[in-house]
Amino acid sequence: ETGVTQTPRHLVMGMTNKKSLKCEQHLGHNAMYWYKQSAKKPLELMFVYSLEERVENNSVPSRFSPECPNSSHLFLHLHTLQPEDSALYLCASSQGPGTYEQYFGPGTRLTVT
Amino acid sequence: AQSVAQPEDQVNVAEGNPLTVKCTYSVSGNPYLFWYVQYPNRGLQFLLKYITGDNLVKGSYGFEAEFNKSQTSFHLKKPSALVSDSALYFCAVRVGSGTYKYIFGTGTRLKVLA
Repeated sequence: ETGVTQTPRHLVMGMTNKKSLKCEQHLGHNAMYWYKQSAKKPLELMFVYSLEERVENNSVPSRFSPECPNSSHLFLHLHTLQPEDSALYLCASSQGPGTYEQYFGPGTRLTVT
Repeated sequence: AQSVAQPEDQVNVAEGNPLTVKCTYSVSGNPYLFWYVQYPNRGLQFLLKYITGDNLVKGSYGFEAEFNKSQTSFHLKKPSALVSDSALYFCAVRVGSGTYKYIFGTGTRLKVLA
């Protein structure tokens, strides 16, 4: 449970606000991920970083901006969001690609008003 | 297109009975298959994975899954369900040893009745 932490756990923001989500992994992993989880939909992969380099970017709107300053920290900067962006945002890490499983944080519940 | 299907939104089972949560996949190439569980207000937790070798893989909390290549399935099973197994279960697939991308199913809610 403490391997991947996320802050804040809950966030309510207006459409004109700017906020950031933070993720930290304590597992010594090389890859970090952002996912969006909405009810009754598959998890949507947003971004993947491997050794601080972005390796996946799944057509995510520019109002979401990731940052990976080192292999232990990952941020998601949010600005001018829309109500449909309300969801659970999950951070995950893994040792590598392919056969390695992911370890998830508890998520940030985001509500855009 | 590559995809993962979990055909049941919800599965109900009585405590002590065996449980099965279904997953089928459609990919090109050799799949790496995973099961995750999500409890309320938590992130996903890894249960087990199939990479290669024995088709029956064992994982955490007494769960196991059977890889069936001809039926392109990877069903999750447990011989005797517990009330504490009630949660949301996700099947996922990766294709290729160098890819970071998972394809997740929509999830199956398991409810174990006392």
